[in-house]
Amino acid sequence: QKEVEQNSGPLSVPEGAIASLNCTYSDRGSQSFFWYRQYSGKSPELIMFIYSNGDKEDGRFTAQLNKASQYVSLLIRDSQPSDSATYLCAGRAGGNNAGNMLTFGGGTRLMVKP
Amino acid sequence: DGGITQSPKYLFRKEGQNVTLSCEQNLNHDAMYWYRQDPGQGLRLIYYSQIVNDFQKGDIAEGYSVSREKKESFPLTVTSAQKNPTAFYLCASSIYASYTFGSGTRLTVV
Repeated sequence: QKEVEQNSGPLSVPEGAIASLNCTYSDRGSQSFFWYRQYSGKSPELIMFIYSNGDKEDGRFTAQLNKASQYVSLLIRDSQPSDSATYLCAGRAGGNNAGNMLTFGGGTRLMVKP
Repeated sequence: DGGITQSPKYLFRKEGQNVTLSCEQNLNHDAMYWYRQDPGQGLRLIYYSQIVNDFQKGDIAEGYSVSREKKESFPLTVTSAQKNPTAFYLCASSIYASYTFGSGTRLTVV
């Protein structure tokens, strides 16, 4: 079974620090990866996606992808209490049969303390 | 505004009762999905549909059924065969692997 794994946390960081969220995946055919933020009782919202090896930056967020190590991460700089949420990592398999199907990890709960 | 609408927001089911969760989108997306989320857990795929009149089982389809008669609509029925249906249910639609989620339905067995 193709899996995406995340540490459930909680990951606790002080306000202003860098939060580092990690994700590993088992399907070497996975082409692209997505990070979603989910506040308690709400639906997930897309933060960013990445499909090339290396770093991709968007404001305070940086996604990192290492296909050789099958590893994806999300860095949040200058963490704010409003960043406290569960972060879901998702991967999309390659190939025409995959369609747009995403496989989600179990999520990491982030707590940013003032 | 385009979006995806789930209703109701809260639903209570009695033992042995079938209930149907509604999911409607006006984004013109071909693909639609149903996920279940238990407290502190990730999303588990129940059913998905990539085109009208076609749908496939996901990882936890037992006790659930769906239909896709229209592109815009993908209702989920939780049947009495689903013994532990209390959970948060999320519907999503997608294009190019970018998912849009509905606001969810919280189902509770009473």
